[in-house]
Amino acid sequence: ETGVTQSPTHLIKTRGQQVTLRCSSQSGHNTVSWYQQALGQGPQFIFQYYREEENGRGNFPPRFSGLQFPNYSSELNVNALELDDSALYLCASSFEQSPYEQYFGPGTRLTVT
Amino acid sequence: RKEVEQDPGPFNVPEGATVAFNCTYSNSASQSFFWYRQDCRKEPKLLMSVYSSGNEDGRFTAQLNRASQYISLLIRDSKLSDSATYLCVVNIGGTASKLTFGTGTRLQVTL
Repeated sequence: ETGVTQSPTHLIKTRGQQVTLRCSSQSGHNTVSWYQQALGQGPQFIFQYYREEENGRGNFPPRFSGLQFPNYSSELNVNALELDDSALYLCASSFEQSPYEQYFGPGTRLTVT
Repeated sequence: RKEVEQDPGPFNVPEGATVAFNCTYSNSASQSFFWYRQDCRKEPKLLMSVYSSGNEDGRFTAQLNRASQYISLLIRDSKLSDSATYLCVVNIGGTASKLTFGTGTRLQVTL
């Protein structure tokens, strides 16, 4: 196991609602990245947090936002949920010194109805 | 054109076979290359990094051809436990250590 944990495991929401997903990074990892994986696709980069600041963003609208806390844990917030937001949301943590070796949590499976 | 392209498969091979996966990437500025493995309904796990000189880890060999923008993964002596989706991953660089994933190639190893 990687030591990266995510909660909740599964979630069902209704279109238009808001959701918060949580991630605890592996001990000593100070960088957290979030990815969205739709069925049959590879993960797509949403954004990354380093030292509590957003450090880069993929092609996702502003209704996807995040936070990183002093203990390096992180939240992903999605407002005004759409049906297409249904996906597996993955959090990955890494060391500052090896930012490309990312270790993924088990993910949160979000279903929007 | 997708940034990272893979044959989705599935590749169905008997136990003991050798199987090769290929991947191409579109951005010549890509700097780091990886293969990840993803089991059904699980998270991706780093299988190996890919270096220009090629690298081997047991039954797994990865190759990178920067001129052709092509990455490969060779699995020798396939085991049932190798059944999974193999994701080709590149990093273009920049301020964020963003990983760009292919859609994955599904491997099914059978008796």
